[in-house]
Amino acid sequence: DVKVTQSSRYLVKRTGEKVFLECVQDMDHENMFWYRQDPGLGLRLIYFSYDVKMKEKGDIPEGYSVSREKKERFSLILESASTNQTSMYLCASSSLEGGEETQYFGPGTRLLVL
Amino acid sequence: AQSVTQLGSHVSVSEGALVLLRCNYSSSVPPYLFWYVQYPNQGLQLLLKYTSAATLVKGINGFEAEFKKSETSFHLTKPSAHMSDAAEYFCAVSDRNNDYKLSFGAGTTVTVRA
Repeated sequence: DVKVTQSSRYLVKRTGEKVFLECVQDMDHENMFWYRQDPGLGLRLIYFSYDVKMKEKGDIPEGYSVSREKKERFSLILESASTNQTSMYLCASSSLEGGEETQYFGPGTRLLVL
Repeated sequence: AQSVTQLGSHVSVSEGALVLLRCNYSSSVPPYLFWYVQYPNQGLQLLLKYTSAATLVKGINGFEAEFKKSETSFHLTKPSAHMSDAAEYFCAVSDRNNDYKLSFGAGTTVTVRA
């Protein structure tokens, strides 16, 4: 079974703090993704990575950065947290299997910025 | 650009009744289509996916979906709802023009009445 883990289930941070969200997958997947989930908006892609040390902006990258130093680990960084970054953050990983790609998700981190 | 519309943000069904969740997509090339389920305080779990093979796709937990190209639809059904089906359901689309990145619908929350 694919296992995607996220370092925290719940986080409370103050405005202006630097926040790190960690994601680890154990299936040797090449691709990793960070999404945020907000009510009525579904999931929106923040950043993704197709390889180590490689990153691409998604649809809503402003206010975020990422790091992928090892294949299995993809970190999301909020350089200076703001209240509008209060959200559920979901990490996913994927690889091509028989010409098809399926994303597998972690349990999510619910972040509250005060 | 690809996009997904889920009709109805909330659906309420009686236990034992048909579950029907509607999803329409737009894509300029043949799409891959997915349904994910999210139980409270959990990540997303893949229910089923369409990848250009059979148009009727069977998934886990008794769910199935039918790809209809002429209607650009991928509706999800289950003949008989169970209390454990109460969750949020997301439809998603990907295609080669967008490097197979997923675009999600806004989600449909299903409640099951005893």
